[in-house]
Amino acid sequence: DAMVIQNPRYQVTQFGKPVTLSCSQTLNHNVMYWYQQKSSQAPKLLFHYYDKDFNNEADTPDNFQSRRPNTSFCFLDIRSPGLGDAAMYLCATSGDSNEQFFGPGTRLTVL
Amino acid sequence: QKEVEQNSGPLSVPEGAIASLNCTYSDRGSQSFFWYRQYSGKSPELIMFIYSNGDKEDGRFTAQLNKASQYVSLLIRDSQPSDSATYLCAAGRYKLIFGTGTRLQVFP
Repeated sequence: DAMVIQNPRYQVTQFGKPVTLSCSQTLNHNVMYWYQQKSSQAPKLLFHYYDKDFNNEADTPDNFQSRRPNTSFCFLDIRSPGLGDAAMYLCATSGDSNEQFFGPGTRLTVL
Repeated sequence: QKEVEQNSGPLSVPEGAIASLNCTYSDRGSQSFFWYRQYSGKSPELIMFIYSNGDKEDGRFTAQLNKASQYVSLLIRDSQPSDSATYLCAAGRYKLIFGTGTRLQVFP
């Protein structure tokens, strides 16, 4: 089945210790998104790629970076996680239609 | 500031009843409208999308769109306890703005 996969599902890191979250897709979608979602809040778009074109949201902190080495994979790097970065990180993809399909998410805990 | 507004709930309905969820959006340029279901601790799951004014039905779900009023709704017929979740409304083009969701509780 075509799908969006995120690894790891749960990530524990220490304050200030860099962490990388990964997303892969078998849908061959050209757009990939990273969202941050905190409890009882709406998913907040951090950035997205349209093919190789990177689009950063204006209010995304510099602490968050992303890479998309190929169509299938996209990474979220948090350079120096703070306690406020603890959240669910969601990867989504979309193709020719605007429907976005989400992966299962990575729950990040910062100690 | 582009916004999508939803009542946070909880909306409590008995099993078998119709649940009605509502959403308003501020960006008149929005072309696509989506409803996602999110169980606690899980990721959003797409359940309905609608692009044109009017109604769109899929099984027990009906999405309604009124662009003049900037209003989107979701009706769930014959509600089941398994429908208990948070329902997120989203509007936009290829970039979506999400509401904070309405928590639905279906009690037996």
